[in-house]
Amino acid sequence: EPEVTQTPSHQVTQMGQEVILRCVPISNHLYFYWYRQILGQKVEFLVSFYNNEISEKSEIFDDQFSVERPDGSNFTLKIRSTKLEDSAMYFCASPQNTEAFFGQGTRLTVV
Amino acid sequence: RKEVEQDPGPFNVPEGATVAFNCTYSNSASQSFFWYRQDCRKEPKLLMSVYSSGNEDGRFTAQLNRASQYISLLIRDSKLSDSATYLCVVNKRDSSYKLIFGSGTRLLVRP
Repeated sequence: EPEVTQTPSHQVTQMGQEVILRCVPISNHLYFYWYRQILGQKVEFLVSFYNNEISEKSEIFDDQFSVERPDGSNFTLKIRSTKLEDSAMYFCASPQNTEAFFGQGTRLTVV
Repeated sequence: RKEVEQDPGPFNVPEGATVAFNCTYSNSASQSFFWYRQDCRKEPKLLMSVYSSGNEDGRFTAQLNRASQYISLLIRDSKLSDSATYLCVVNKRDSSYKLIFGSGTRLLVRP
């Protein structure tokens, strides 16, 4: 099964700090997605990234968030000035055919 | 109205039981339909795609009714290892691979 790798698995940060979540998608994929899941709630779409550009973003994905592909293989999700309500699991996803393969997630805890 | 709606459960069933989950979606232009499985604090994993003609994979049967905007999942001969949250997922026609998740139905299979 194709593998999508996320780091770190758990990040604890103080409110107001910046965090960078990293993901290595399935190789040679042009499409890439970030989702988040607040504890006890549904998985929510954040942003899709195609060919080094944001192709779509949700209303959750405001100016606090940014996504980049810094070195051609890794993707990052940056959250500036974190808030308590940013605490969640953040999943990256890489599609192959009709299936989306998710990374194991980064649990972000904002204290 | 929620885009994808599911009964949250939990469904508590004995081993060997047959259990059915239902899901409705609001966007009639939705293109693709899936059932994902999510174990506690883990990433979602594709269980099966759902086709208009209905499809079966071992003990799992999925059905789609486009007219009623209704999706179902039937699990026969439940195993302890089937205990998980089952996510109904829809792909919107106007977006590529942007998945819309239901909140999930929790299944507990007891010995």
